Amino acid sequence: TQLLEQSPQFLSIQEGENLTVYCNSSSVFSSLQWYRQEPGEGPVLLVTVVTGGEVKKLKRLTFQFGDARKDSSLHITAAQPGDTGLYLCAGVRATSGSRLTFGEGTQLTVNP
Amino acid sequence: DTEVTQTPKHLVMGMTNKKSLKCEQHMGHRAMYWYKQKAKKPPELMFVYSYEKLSINESVPSRFSPECPNSSLLNLHLHALQPEDSALYLCASSHFGLAANEQFFGPGTRLTVL
Repeated sequence: TQLLEQSPQFLSIQEGENLTVYCNSSSVFSSLQWYRQEPGEGPVLLVTVVTGGEVKKLKRLTFQFGDARKDSSLHITAAQPGDTGLYLCAGVRATSGSRLTFGEGTQLTVNP
Repeated sequence: DTEVTQTPKHLVMGMTNKKSLKCEQHMGHRAMYWYKQKAKKPPELMFVYSYEKLSINESVPSRFSPECPNSSLLNLHLHALQPEDSALYLCASSHFGLAANEQFFGPGTRLTVL
């Protein structure tokens, strides 16, 4: 059983469309990070959320942490081809020390 | 400086070779990590160093040998690898002991074992 369920696994949309990626768990997380990774490169940290109910915005990206700190979402408005990449959620549990628990990732393709 | 650097970018080695991967950060982070990543999959944790001491080994085969010479450097020594070890090897660093544990990743080394 995957500790962090990320959905959808694949998403192919047209430029200008909106999308949401979900990251769900039955466990409580101290914090949750979202990364974006391009082929052959390392993941780049987009945001960290630590407070239940927290909402953070980064230009066209909106990140939300669930009230119970068990789930998170990433919403992209008016997607652009440059948003294409692998989006990973990763959480820190209080009992896991320095380990990050990763979701399986969402491969996003934005077509021009 | 918020960068983690890794060398080499690409590495091709035979099963009898010995090689090393290098990682460096100058963010004052005292936790450093090695991950292995297969295509289209999330990174898998291999090792964690905290204050230059190995704190986590995720049952990694002994053909992978980590080393942390100082607080800025992390090496991964490779010997007698198998073709299934071909992957992207990622180094990351973070502050130690913070609940958020934001990890910053390097660009990775693409390893191919022939």
